[in-house]
Amino acid sequence: EAQVTQNPRYLITVTGKKLTVTCSQNMNHEYMSWYRQDPGLGLRQIYYSMNVEVTDKGDVPEGYKVSRKEKRNFPLILESPSPNQTSLYFCASRTGGDYGYTFGSGTRLTVV
Amino acid sequence: GQQVMQIPQYQHVQEGEDFTTYCNSSTTLSNIQWYKQRPGGHPVFLIQLVKSGEVKKQKRLTFQFGEAKKNSSLHITATQTTDVGTYFCAPRKVYNQGGKLIFGQGTELSVKP
Repeated sequence: EAQVTQNPRYLITVTGKKLTVTCSQNMNHEYMSWYRQDPGLGLRQIYYSMNVEVTDKGDVPEGYKVSRKEKRNFPLILESPSPNQTSLYFCASRTGGDYGYTFGSGTRLTVV
Repeated sequence: GQQVMQIPQYQHVQEGEDFTTYCNSSTTLSNIQWYKQRPGGHPVFLIQLVKSGEVKKQKRLTFQFGEAKKNSSLHITATQTTDVGTYFCAPRKVYNQGGKLIFGQGTELSVKP
C-alpha cells in the first residue's frame, strides 16, 4: 500500500532532550516535507526536500533540522526541544511535476 | 510573502444544506490545490486547479478557479455528515515551486444531522 509512515504517533518528552521523528515513504517520491499544525495557525511548513541531499527551509524552520540521505526517508530532528514546539507534526511526500502531497498520519509531540 | 485568505473560518450547517469556502489571494496564482482533513485525521489531497475559470466536480463537490486566477472556491451541495472536517486551500504562485506549499487557514465545517 502506498503510504507515508511517521513514527512515533505520540511522544512526550522533556525540554532539551534531543529527539527524532522518522518519516518514510514507499512511493519513490522526489519531494518530501514537514509541517506543524497548531490551533488557530493552520498548517505551517517547517522544511522540505526536493531530492536526496537537497533541502530548504519552509516558513518556521527555527529549532528544527532535517536530512535526506536516502530518497525514502526524511527525519525531523529537534536538537533541544522546547515547550513551544509542542504541536501536531505531519510528514508529506509527492512526486515530481506539480501534484498534491500525500500526508502521513501525524505525530503528536508534547514537550514539558 | 504570499498572502492568502480563506473564509469563513467556521461554518455550521444543517445536513442537506449547501456549503461554500473561498480562498482569496492578493497575487495571481499559477494553480491551487484543495485538501480535506477529517477530525483527528491528516490532510488528504482533493484536487488541483490550473486554468483560468476552471471548474471541476467530484460528486457533490464543485471546485472553481477564478478568471483572474486570484481566487478559488469549493462548494458542497447537500452536505452530509461525512463532509465534516476542515478544508484547506493551498495556492501556488509559480508552477512547480519545488517542495514549498503554503496552506490557507482552513474552513472548519460541521454538519448537524
